[in-house]
Amino acid sequence: GQQLNQSPQSMFIQEGEDVSMNCTSSSIFNTWLWYKQDPGEGPVLLIALYKAGELTSNGRLTAQFGITRKDSFLNISASIPSDVGIYFCAGGSSNTGKLIFGQGTTLQVKP
Amino acid sequence: GAVVSQHPSWVICKSGTSVKIECRSLDFQATTMFWYRQFPKQSLMLMATSNEGSKATYEQGVEKDKFLINHASLTLSTLTVTSAHPEDSSFYICSARDLGLYGYTFGSGTRLTVV
Repeated sequence: GQQLNQSPQSMFIQEGEDVSMNCTSSSIFNTWLWYKQDPGEGPVLLIALYKAGELTSNGRLTAQFGITRKDSFLNISASIPSDVGIYFCAGGSSNTGKLIFGQGTTLQVKP
Repeated sequence: GAVVSQHPSWVICKSGTSVKIECRSLDFQATTMFWYRQFPKQSLMLMATSNEGSKATYEQGVEKDKFLINHASLTLSTLTVTSAHPEDSSFYICSARDLGLYGYTFGSGTRLTVV
C-alpha cells in the first residue's frame, strides 16, 4: 500500500530557530496536507497544498508541494514554545478520497 | 469553519462489551467519513471509509465484523467496537470530508480503554 516517509522523527530546538521537516512517497498524491496534533486531541490542519510546485504560507509556516507530486516540506520560522507538538504530513488521493499519514515529527522547543 | 464533533471523548469498558463512538459534522454535510486508529506515539492508521447510505470500505487487516460502521445520514457516522478486548484500547479519530474538494475536518478523538 501507499506509504509516506516523514523525517525527522523528532527535533529538539531552541526558541527562535527555524524548523524544517519533509515527507516523501513512492506514490503520487493529488494533495498534500500538514497537520499538528496536541496530546489527546485530533489533528488540526495547518496548510493544504493542491497543485504540484505550489508554495503556501500560513503565518510563520511555509509548505511546498513537490513538483513530482511525491514529496512535500514544511518550514516553521522563528519557533516559539507553543509550536511544541507532533506534526503530520498527509497525502490525499482524489480517486479514493483517502488520506495517508506520515509517521509524524515530534517537535520540542526550549525557551 | 467546518466542525466535526466526536463523542465520547473517552470511555472505559469491560472486556467483552461493545462501545459506540459517534462522529457528527455540525455545519456541513459529509458524504464520506473516515475512521482512524492511533496507538501511543504512532501515526494515524486508516481503518475504514464510511459512505452515506452504503457499506463501509475497510482497510486490509481491519475486521469488519468487529468494527461496525454505520453512516445513516449525511451528518452522522458511528463506529461500534464489538466484543472489545484490551488490545482494542487506542485513540480513535474520525474525519469528515465535506462536499467541497479535499475538505477534511477531524474530530477531537475518543480514547478507548478496555479493562
